[in-house]
Amino acid sequence: LAKTTQPISMDSYEGQEVNITCSHNNIATNDYITWYQQFPSQGPRFIIQGYKTKVTNEVASLFIPADRKSSTLSLPRVSLSDTAVYYCLVGSRSGGYQKVTFGTGTKLQVIP
Amino acid sequence: DTAVSQTPKYLVTQMGNDKSIKCEQNLGHDTMYWYKQDSKKFLKIMFSYNNKELIINETVPNRFSPKSPDKAHLNLHINSLELGDSAVYFCASSQARDSDSYNSPLHFGNGTRLTVT
Repeated sequence: LAKTTQPISMDSYEGQEVNITCSHNNIATNDYITWYQQFPSQGPRFIIQGYKTKVTNEVASLFIPADRKSSTLSLPRVSLSDTAVYYCLVGSRSGGYQKVTFGTGTKLQVIP
Repeated sequence: DTAVSQTPKYLVTQMGNDKSIKCEQNLGHDTMYWYKQDSKKFLKIMFSYNNKELIINETVPNRFSPKSPDKAHLNLHINSLELGDSAVYFCASSQARDSDSYNSPLHFGNGTRLTVT
């Protein structure tokens, strides 16, 4: 299993861009990198997924360098409602099927 | 239109009791999961079913028995509840069918908070 490492927590002021970096040194060739967001009392919610270079959607951008050993989730102009735990995951398999393992996540606190 | 729904949202029970949590998804996904999130907020996979067939069992005690009557439902029955079973249990689903699509994003329910006293 490719293990991920990300900061335990981060603070940011409203309106700033937030970058959360995740390292995954043992990522396999077929693995994608996926980020989830979890609010208190809710299940994790898919944010973005990528394989290499840059991916952007209406919520975030994901930057992946050529060696794919790390990735950075970028949240533009955060607001208080972006306060949540953000999980970085890489895909893994068990008997040919998906086995998604969550790490500890990064607790983002947005400050007014 | 809740995509993945779990019932009940809260469950408080005493040690030794047997309880069930139900999960249903209306996304047409083939694969469903149960995750456990403990007090330290660590999410750990318990089981996964693909088209009613068990494909992942993460050395969960035998007291936990998942049942999938059809691919849209995955229920979790827990026998002889223990204090350590207190946690939030999340159901999830994904479109993953085979090894080529194993990176499919997961869709989670909002969890069932189980408290064993």
